[in-house]
Amino acid sequence: NAGVTQTPKFRVLKTGQSMTLLCAQDMNHEYMYWYRQDPGMGLRLIHYSVGEGTTAKGEVPDGYNVSRLKKQNFLLGLESAAPSQTSVYFCASSYVARNQPQHFGDGTRLSIL
Amino acid sequence: EDQVTQSPEALRLQEGESSSLNCSYTVSGLRGLFWYRQDPGKGPEFLFTLYSAGEEKEKERLKATLTKKESFLHITAPKPEDSATYLCAVTATGGGNKLTFGTGTQLKVEL
Repeated sequence: NAGVTQTPKFRVLKTGQSMTLLCAQDMNHEYMYWYRQDPGMGLRLIHYSVGEGTTAKGEVPDGYNVSRLKKQNFLLGLESAAPSQTSVYFCASSYVARNQPQHFGDGTRLSIL
Repeated sequence: EDQVTQSPEALRLQEGESSSLNCSYTVSGLRGLFWYRQDPGKGPEFLFTLYSAGEEKEKERLKATLTKKESFLHITAPKPEDSATYLCAVTATGGGNKLTFGTGTQLKVEL
């Protein structure tokens, strides 16, 4: 079982460039999430979606946009990358029911020069 | 604002040396407390969910407990393969399924 798959696994960008990170899940989960993980900061929620066609802001949404056109996919976009966005990005998904655990992908390591 | 604090930041144990990791939390109303394991270069892997004070859950050498202010992850007779970063997270009343994470405890178990 693939679970949650993130592409790409690594990427280096120059300041000002744009890119899209793709998350795909095959568990038929309704909820999907994007986090960033930085040393000493823990995982912080960027944006999330409670269903196809919906998105909502998390704790640190500035500089990012998201789209959920299909239930199984959740895209994270950086329109104009900044060095402060250098991080490891994790996607997760879960069922709707209360306190269902989130299942994570293996991350995208992104460096902005 | 919901907060989760984990201690210690790092822990080094000898194989077979039992110990506990701490997760203290401040939330408006706890809906669930989650423990995850994270290996280097990988995403967090779900271990346990605890819902109410007094609850305990076990899996192999790991046992998680919950009080009204904190949770403990007890590791009994650890092995080198238990080496990982252990993350604690909470969901709060009114927060849906959104998780607030601590910064983790990095555990190293040596032979």
